[in-house]
Amino acid sequence: QSALTQPPSASGSPGQSVTISCTGTSSDVGGYNFVSWYQQHPGKAPKLLIYEVNKRPSGVPDRFSGSKSGNTASLTVSGLQAEDDADYYCSSYAGSNNRYVFGAGTKVTVL
Amino acid sequence: EVQLLESGGGLVQPGGSLRLSCAASGFTFISYAMSWVRQAPGKGLEWVSVISGSGGTTYYADSVKGRLTISRDNSKNTLYLQMNSLRAEDTAIYYCAKTNSGYGPFDSWGQGTLVTVSS
Repeated sequence: QSALTQPPSASGSPGQSVTISCTGTSSDVGGYNFVSWYQQHPGKAPKLLIYEVNKRPSGVPDRFSGSKSGNTASLTVSGLQAEDDADYYCSSYAGSNNRYVFGAGTKVTVL
Repeated sequence: EVQLLESGGGLVQPGGSLRLSCAASGFTFISYAMSWVRQAPGKGLEWVSVISGSGGTTYYADSVKGRLTISRDNSKNTLYLQMNSLRAEDTAIYYCAKTNSGYGPFDSWGQGTLVTVSS
């Protein structure tokens, strides 16, 4: 069982927006502003999309945005495009013992 | 451009050992922590271990503590994962990941190497 809870699936039509939630506890998501999001296409390595809750690495389109409220973080993909069809994972720093935890992933389908 | 190239995966029997390597280039290796993250077939991501830039500090997931050992050779820009007492549940693709700080994130990933533990 993953430490962070994500919905298994989400979908939207091209041009629409989809928001994925990531729920943890005060020991991880709620306790630190070190939430990150990763995109993974089938057979490929994960790619960093968002770090420190809402920061985008260079090269990541501003259609991807992150936020956090309490123990729940969220990733919003605006203006869905066909290439956004992928798995999305959240992750959080979880302190000196458990260190880093992931969610089980959300499959986003572009209809 | 950051490049991470894993090697050393393969088929191993339960109880056996394997050593994974990750050759890094395109960044100042010693300046960054490095991690191993694994993904069982059809499953999600699981953090395995992290090592500081100097190699002096390491952390492990409870599921691998005492069996897997992370290390690095900064003179060779290479990260390692020594895997002992392997179990079927260790079967996964193992990714090495450049870790931006002690708090994460995993900002660059290799292509992964598959480890299969089976008799």
